Amino acid sequence: DQQVKQNSPSLSVQEGRISILNCDYTNSMFDYFLWYKKYPAEGPTFLISISSIKDKNEDGRFTVFLNKSAKHLSLHIVPSQPGDSAVYFCAARYNNNDMRFGAGTRLTVKP
Amino acid sequence: ETGVTQTPRHLVMGMTNKKSLKCEQHLGHNAMYWYKQSAKKPLELMFVYSLEERVENNSVPSRFSPECPNSSHLFLHLHTLQPEDSALYLCASSPTSQGSWEKLFFGSGTQLSVL
Repeated sequence: DQQVKQNSPSLSVQEGRISILNCDYTNSMFDYFLWYKKYPAEGPTFLISISSIKDKNEDGRFTVFLNKSAKHLSLHIVPSQPGDSAVYFCAARYNNNDMRFGAGTRLTVKP
Repeated sequence: ETGVTQTPRHLVMGMTNKKSLKCEQHLGHNAMYWYKQSAKKPLELMFVYSLEERVENNSVPSRFSPECPNSSHLFLHLHTLQPEDSALYLCASSPTSQGSWEKLFFGSGTQLSVL
């Protein structure tokens, strides 16, 4: 049962434009959401998170939006840079020690 | 370099072989994890160790056997694997096993191929 879904396996954007990565979840008990970034031959690294009591969290060029009624979150990167090219994983926490990941979206930022 | 080192980086094994994956963390963390990532599938949590005690086992087949001799080292012993076990195996650590997800540090993984 895949409780966290990233329906777009890949996304390509032009440098300087906005990248929007989407994530949907099914379990209303998730209370914390995270985005991880993964470069080839490296492990995922934490990028940004948001609590379920908020609808937006911003960190520099990265902003995560949470729509609880739609069970949807998104990661916005603006402006996108070639160094942002990586696989982005959405993750959701349940019960403080159980976290579910999406399958990832490969972002390519073209110069 | 995230402070979590996994060896080997790549492993090819037959279904009758026995091999072990190794993970070492230099971050002073108390919790360590094994995750599995199959192609185009989400990361799946396999095992969690907290202070060298296994606190979670997500219905993983017995052909995967974890070992945590101390808080810095984690092993995954493999025997009689199946081709569908081919995947990227990621080790991770965090300060504790409770609510430290922002501080979950991953290793680079072992890409396993079972022939």
